[in-house]
Amino acid sequence: AQSVTQLGSHVSVSEGALVLLRCNYSSSVPPYLFWYVQYPNQGLQLLLKYTTGATLVKGINGFEAEFKKSETSFHLTKPSAHMSDAAEYFCAVSDLPPSYGKLTFGQGTILTVHP
Amino acid sequence: KAGVTQTPRYLIKTRGQQVTLSCSPISGHRSVSWYQQTPGQGLQFLFEYFSETQRNKGNFPGRFSGRQFSNSRSEMNVSTLELGDSALYLCASSLGEAGTGTDTQYFGPGTRLTVL
Repeated sequence: AQSVTQLGSHVSVSEGALVLLRCNYSSSVPPYLFWYVQYPNQGLQLLLKYTTGATLVKGINGFEAEFKKSETSFHLTKPSAHMSDAAEYFCAVSDLPPSYGKLTFGQGTILTVHP
Repeated sequence: KAGVTQTPRYLIKTRGQQVTLSCSPISGHRSVSWYQQTPGQGLQFLFEYFSETQRNKGNFPGRFSGRQFSNSRSEMNVSTLELGDSALYLCASSLGEAGTGTDTQYFGPGTRLTVL
């Protein structure tokens, strides 16, 4: 079974600092990878996804992630944190084809941004 | 386009009761997936429906069931509620193409179920 590990359940940064949220996956074949964000009392919003092609993926709100097959990683970064980035972030991997709607999520990382 | 809607947003039930949650997907989306979110277990896949057929199922007991209607709207039912069923239940819709895994899922705001 596929699995996703997010290192660090809580990450705290200062406003304007680099944001780095770590995600490692376990898969025998290159998977499809997603990052979602969840604000309090809301559902999940897609930030970006990697399927094929360029390994550096740009998403919304200035976030990007790089797929590194050799390291089985898909870390999320943002050069400069904003207060509005405070939320919980989830890395997810799509089930192997046929996937039929199943995403396997990491445990989530709560990002706190200090003024 | 309107997003994914879920009703009700909040529910309080007692042990032993049953509950039905509803999800309306984005127009044109034919796949609906359901997830349970709890602090202890995180986000877990329940099942997925496409064209009124369940195509995939997670590791949940038979008390959890669902269905999908011809307009792609979906319902999830939990019978004989247990305290451990307290959770945020999220549904997500997607186009449902081919099962390749590249489909983007768009999530609703969730239904917060509390079992007393």
